[in-house]
Amino acid sequence: GAGVSQSPSNKVTEKGKDVELRCDPISGHTALYWYRQSLGQGLEFLIYFQGNSAPDKSGLPSDRFSAERTGGSVSTLTIQRTQQEDSAVYLCASSLDGTGRREYFGPGTRLTVL
Amino acid sequence: DQQVKQNSPSLSVQEGRISILNCDYTNSMFDYFLWYKKYPAEGPTFLISISSIKDKNEDGRFTVFLNKSAKHLSLHIVPSQPGDSAVYFCAAIYSGNTGKLIFGQGTTLQVKP
Repeated sequence: GAGVSQSPSNKVTEKGKDVELRCDPISGHTALYWYRQSLGQGLEFLIYFQGNSAPDKSGLPSDRFSAERTGGSVSTLTIQRTQQEDSAVYLCASSLDGTGRREYFGPGTRLTVL
Repeated sequence: DQQVKQNSPSLSVQEGRISILNCDYTNSMFDYFLWYKKYPAEGPTFLISISSIKDKNEDGRFTVFLNKSAKHLSLHIVPSQPGDSAVYFCAAIYSGNTGKLIFGQGTTLQVKP
């Protein structure tokens, strides 16, 4: 079956603009995670969804970042008033449960803020 | 506060030899550890994992060792193959914490033919 998909694969934007990043998880996976990888860094947790609710938003770096999930499936990560330090690869992962023991990652969206 | 650390940014080994990638952690509440492999322009893929109740887990050419007293784990690849060249991430979780993965910075492995 299909894996986790993300769109767009690349996004270049100007500082101050808003961007939306999309994640389509594996069908039937109730848990969905967003991570980001900045240049030379490891993956940093942003937010966790179980179904449509987000019990853990502790990794969102500022109130410019928000995310939602609808129908227990597609998720959108929105970054408002983008800054250059937001430049990173944003990765989405899904799993059957919320244990973290087997997460399947999408290919990521590379965001560049000029 | 880097709870999971991979202190070697890169490692180069000859094909057929053993590759040893290391990872240290600081949080004693971590009870499950994973290794992910990442190729350029792709998402990380799960490689192997180990529970804190074990000290070794093997899967083909890949073995993960856990030393809880030292808060250290390592991934052994033997024999190494050129296709193993990738970035390897160590990650940790603790039960009841929503399953979010805490990652190290990654080690780039190059296996030379």
